[in-house]
Amino acid sequence: SQQGEEDPQALSIQEGENATMNCSYKTSINNLQWYRQNSGRGLVHLILIRSNEREKHSGRLRVTLDTSKKSSSLLITASRAADTASYFCATDKGGAQKLVFGQGTRLTINP
Amino acid sequence: GAGVSQSPSNKVTEKGKDVELRCDPISGHTALYWYRQSLGQGLEFLIYFQGNSAPDKSGLPSDRFSAERTGGSVSTLTIQRTQQEDSAVYLCASSQHPPETQYFGPGTRLLVL
Repeated sequence: SQQGEEDPQALSIQEGENATMNCSYKTSINNLQWYRQNSGRGLVHLILIRSNEREKHSGRLRVTLDTSKKSSSLLITASRAADTASYFCATDKGGAQKLVFGQGTRLTINP
Repeated sequence: GAGVSQSPSNKVTEKGKDVELRCDPISGHTALYWYRQSLGQGLEFLIYFQGNSAPDKSGLPSDRFSAERTGGSVSTLTIQRTQQEDSAVYLCASSQHPPETQYFGPGTRLLVL
């Protein structure tokens, strides 16, 4: 089974609203990352949060990490139509050299 | 420098044929990964190369799949005797400090008829 599981699988909101996506994982991690994918092609790294961090910001992105609950959330504030994409969380599964990706959340921003 | 590049962008082949997919990682990145993504699904790890170490092949779905990385740079993923279920987007990524940020190529969309 996937180390990371995103929730919801799909999210549709109006432009200007905030979008929140969640990720749960099963084993201990050193860091958790969020990636974005447009049109089923290459992924773009958004943000990395380490296991000793609780919150991190990057522009309109805010990521939280709760290691006790083994969960993370990605918040996109003031959403734009260009934010429409799939968002994936990825974990290193206890320091392993490879990342394990979840199934992703498909975000649609309606103009 | 340039990002990760992959070729071809699209590949259509007949069932039973062999295909080769190429990945050029970012110069200086020691780690290289191959993933497979079926339509509407997440990424499935296939294989990982790190420097001169033996590759982690734990994700290869069958012995029809193989990959090599020559000179610590370019990698080729080979699928022999392709099957229709091999149809997917094959993504390559490289990293300087695994398992941190991975930089992805645009992918190769493979269609097996």
